[in-house]
Amino acid sequence: DAKTTQPTSMDCAEGRAANLPCNHSTISGNEYVYWYRQIHSQGPQYIIHGLKNNETNEMASLIITEDRKSSTLILPHATLRDTAVYYCIVSRGGDSSYKLIFGSGTRLLVRP
Amino acid sequence: GAGVSQSPSNKVTEKGKDVELRCDPISGHTALYWYRQSLGQGLEFLIYFQGNSAPDKSGLPSDRFSAERTGGSVSTLTIQRTQQEDSAVYLCASSALGNSPLHFGNGTRLTVT
Repeated sequence: DAKTTQPTSMDCAEGRAANLPCNHSTISGNEYVYWYRQIHSQGPQYIIHGLKNNETNEMASLIITEDRKSSTLILPHATLRDTAVYYCIVSRGGDSSYKLIFGSGTRLLVRP
Repeated sequence: GAGVSQSPSNKVTEKGKDVELRCDPISGHTALYWYRQSLGQGLEFLIYFQGNSAPDKSGLPSDRFSAERTGGSVSTLTIQRTQQEDSAVYLCASSALGNSPLHFGNGTRLTVT
């Protein structure tokens, strides 16, 4: 599986957009980009995933560059409850060897 | 609706004892995963079950660790002769299909004294 690079930590003001970058320069054509987050003392929570096109759901937007070597997770209006560690993961899907390998993630602090 | 359930939520055991950790996945999910997370660290993949296929055990750290999944549903992770370095949060996740999102439980915090 391709590896990802994320900043160790970031912060943003409550109510502002949080833009979390991720580099995955060795991503393969059949690998998806997944984002999860982990709030203290809880299991990770799925946020969003995509292959080539930008994706949006009720939680966030995922912007993937045309060459697929990087992506950005956007939380449009960050709240204090969005303080968490955010993991960017690339992985194949749909076969028996599918598994997610979590890196160190980005620790996002949302300031009041 | 019921999510992934893990039990116990906390377990304290003495070094050298065996422990069993249980995971009840979401009903109908064919894929089940075990991870562990040491304090302040990221998630470490342990084992993956998918339907009736042979499990992917590539992440198990030693032969003291084993896991089984009975009837394609409940899974048990067993650690024999526990060591202090086994202390961690053990997380279970399930998913519907190979590339569907994973749903995690809140983990079992294991402390080996």
